[in-house]
Amino acid sequence: SAVISQKPSRDICQRGTSLTIQCQVDSQVTMMFWYRQQPGQSLTLIATANQGSEATYESGFVIDKFPISRPNLTFSTLTVSNMSPEDSSIYLCSAVTGAHQPQHFGDGTRLSIL
Amino acid sequence: GENVEQHPSTLSVQEGDSAVIKCTYSDSASNYFPWYKQELGKRPQLIIDIRSNVGEKKDQRIAVTLNKTAKHFSLHITETQPEDSAVYFCAAPLSGGYNKLIFGAGTRLAVHP
Repeated sequence: SAVISQKPSRDICQRGTSLTIQCQVDSQVTMMFWYRQQPGQSLTLIATANQGSEATYESGFVIDKFPISRPNLTFSTLTVSNMSPEDSSIYLCSAVTGAHQPQHFGDGTRLSIL
Repeated sequence: GENVEQHPSTLSVQEGDSAVIKCTYSDSASNYFPWYKQELGKRPQLIIDIRSNVGEKKDQRIAVTLNKTAKHFSLHITETQPEDSAVYFCAAPLSGGYNKLIFGAGTRLAVHP
């Protein structure tokens, strides 16, 4: 399976600031996704990162708060904007290498907002 | 849209016993059901998955069964070992996409030596 790397692995930020998380895959993938995992909770899909076009957001998530880029088939970024303590979570990138292939995850970015 | 319910939320077994985790889903069109294992501080790792054209799939000590009529699927771990201790998540496709997944709430499995 593809190796998925995320940077940073963790960060502590001040409220009101923004942070961009990077996701790099070691091979071309068809689909990339961003999930949020709040402390002790399950994973919730934020959006599908579409290559060369705007991301597709799930209910409850908006582009102004979570802008996403995907400039090519191996890289995507998620920005968490105007952060508040409620945004403290693990943010996970995932990727699928082809149609009907399993989804694999990066190690996640643990974000704490003070 | 799809909804996934997972039970139990916690499960404690003795080493060598079997563990069973069950999930139900709501969308009868769902056709792919993966299971992930997440150890503390680690990424979710796919351990087994099943497609709707089969009723059971096995990989060594792990098996998954699917009942499409009842819309539920289960993870079975036999001969449990302490290293099986983790949180296990089931998932199903969010409506409208094969790969967009909705996850169950998770089951924290503790295997005691």
